[in-house]
Amino acid sequence: DAGVIQSPRHEVTEMGQEVTLRCKPISGHNSLFWYRQTMMRGLELLIYFNNNVPIDDSGMPEDRFSAKMPNASFSTLKIQPSEPRDSAVYFCASSRSLRGTYNSPLHFGNGTRLTVT
Amino acid sequence: AQTVTQSQPEMSVQEAETVTLSCTYDTSENNYYLFWYKQPPSRQMILVIRQEAYKQQNATENRFSVNFQKAAKSFSLKISDSQLGDTAMYFCAFMTLDNNAGNMLTFGGGTRLMVKP
Repeated sequence: DAGVIQSPRHEVTEMGQEVTLRCKPISGHNSLFWYRQTMMRGLELLIYFNNNVPIDDSGMPEDRFSAKMPNASFSTLKIQPSEPRDSAVYFCASSRSLRGTYNSPLHFGNGTRLTVT
Repeated sequence: AQTVTQSQPEMSVQEAETVTLSCTYDTSENNYYLFWYKQPPSRQMILVIRQEAYKQQNATENRFSVNFQKAAKSFSLKISDSQLGDTAMYFCAFMTLDNNAGNMLTFGGGTRLMVKP
């Protein structure tokens, strides 16, 4: 299995532009998570999906952030408009999970480093 | 809500020596998992070891072992015979088995470990 695939690897954009980050989870995994990593805050959970349905988006910083999972093999995290304080590494992770049980650990993608100037 | 605390922002160890990374957590739950993840400069997040809260025996994976003290809510990672490739950020993480959590992880702030030749 190729693992969790994220694209792009690096993204540099100007303030005010729209940014879209992409993630392909591991086949067969039904939970997908978006994390943001910064030096100040460490790893923060932004949102997670279970069976393509958003379960908890309380970590999404503000309305400029949105995430979708149109099918089991693809998810996007969009920032519009982007701001310099959004600069961070964004990780996508997936797992196979059933309610109340533990089936597999989270598998992380390599992350997208976003720089907003 | 759960919190995970790693009190050592940075540590260093000589090659072939042993080092212990600290982690404490706070939860009111009784059934959960704990993890250590490694993040080398490549940014990839790698699962190092995991511990089920209901197991008293400490988990071991080759040179990596944990000291799990449930009453004290402590979960330290011991790396024996440190190697240069162990240089990385190490994250402690907590996962509840609450029915609504969907295998969601809460991370500590990380400890940067440098192995010196």
